[in-house]
Order: sequence, then structure tokens, then C-alpha cells
Amino acid sequence: QKEVEQDPGPLSVPEGAIVSLNCTYSNSAFQYFMWYRQYSRKGPELLMYTYSSGNKEDGRFTAQVDKSSKYISLFIRDSQPSDSATYLCAMTPFNNNDMRFGAGTRLTVKP
Amino acid sequence: DVKVTQSSRYLVKRTGEKVFLECVQDMDHENMFWYRQDPGLGLRLIYFSYDVKMKEKGDIPEGYSVSREKKERFSLILESASTNQTSMYLCASSLTRDRNTGELFFGEGSRLTVL
Repeated sequence: QKEVEQDPGPLSVPEGAIVSLNCTYSNSAFQYFMWYRQYSRKGPELLMYTYSSGNKEDGRFTAQVDKSSKYISLFIRDSQPSDSATYLCAMTPFNNNDMRFGAGTRLTVKP
Repeated sequence: DVKVTQSSRYLVKRTGEKVFLECVQDMDHENMFWYRQDPGLGLRLIYFSYDVKMKEKGDIPEGYSVSREKKERFSLILESASTNQTSMYLCASSLTRDRNTGELFFGEGSRLTVL
């Protein structure tokens, strides 16, 4: 069993839709949870960062962490074609060298 | 802006060749990383370094070595390339190992094909 499970998709939605992306994990030591966005032929870039459980909102993006269920989510409201990318969840107990990534979900937002 | 630059975007090599992938960061970061990215497997850590001349094995170091002679530069070496090393290689850096900001700064990747 992988430490971090993420449905690779692909996921295709119409512009304006609410998108829900999810990851589950098995290691209860994870405390820091991240979402990275990766455009085609580019490196990943940090989108959201959350420590421990709870919600964090940044514009159209909301990250949720439920440590009791070992489940994290990223919601995108009013999705735009520019949101089309691969979204990677990542998590670590503390150090960046222990970071574990999901396989990534490929999202396409159609105009 | 932090910039992580990978010298080669696309390489095609033959089995048995020695391959050098170079990475330079311009923000005086302590940590540097090499990952490979494969469909369905996500990013897997090959090696990382938290200081000049220091290196630590990641999850999949077999068949790879690294060099960090200067703080800003981290090189990945494939001594004898094999077809199963065909992949996207991503270099990353982060500020320090002592405080977690969650942020790795990635280069644009080097896509290596081994024939």
C-alpha cells in the first residue's frame, strides 16, 4: 500500500464548476500538508500549505485536512481554464526531505 | 523570485552512457533535492543534500550518485544509464532543514530518454 493515495484522474469539468481533489494517507505522523500545482512541461509550484487539521482558504482555493480520517482535500471554486494542470498532494512529518507525494490528479477545465 | 535552473530540458542517451544533470539555485537555500517523476508513481526522492559536500540517500538511490561542491549547485549523475532510468528528473531546493515551510522550489525538469 502506498503511503499517499491520489486518484490520477483525468478529471474534466466545465468552467465555473466546483472541483474537489482528494488524497488519503496511511502515516499518522504526517503533520504538514501541501498541494502543488504543475502545469504541463513545468515543475510543481506550491499552491496551499496547511499544518495539522483544519481548513485554509486562499481566494478560490480551500484546503481541508482531516487527520482523524487521514484524508485531505483541495476545493477549487469557480474553476477557470487556467486551473487546468496536474495537482499533487504532499505531506511530511516535519522535514522537507521526508516529504511524500501523491501521484497527481490531472485536471482540465473546459471553457 | 527564487529560481531553480536545470541545465538540460531534454536529453536522449544510449544505454551504458554516463549522464550528468545539473541544477543551480540562486536563493542561498541550504537544501537541494533530486526527484524523478513517473506516471502513476508521483515524485520519488533520489538524493538530497542539506549542505555543501553533504548528501543523503532518498527512497530510490540505486543507480544514481550526486555531487554538491558549491552551495548553489547540485548535480545528479547516472554512471551507466539504463532504459529504466527514462524519466522526468526534477531538482528542488528549500530554505532550511530546521524549519518547515512546506515549500520546495522546483526547476522545470529534465526529461531523459535512455535508448
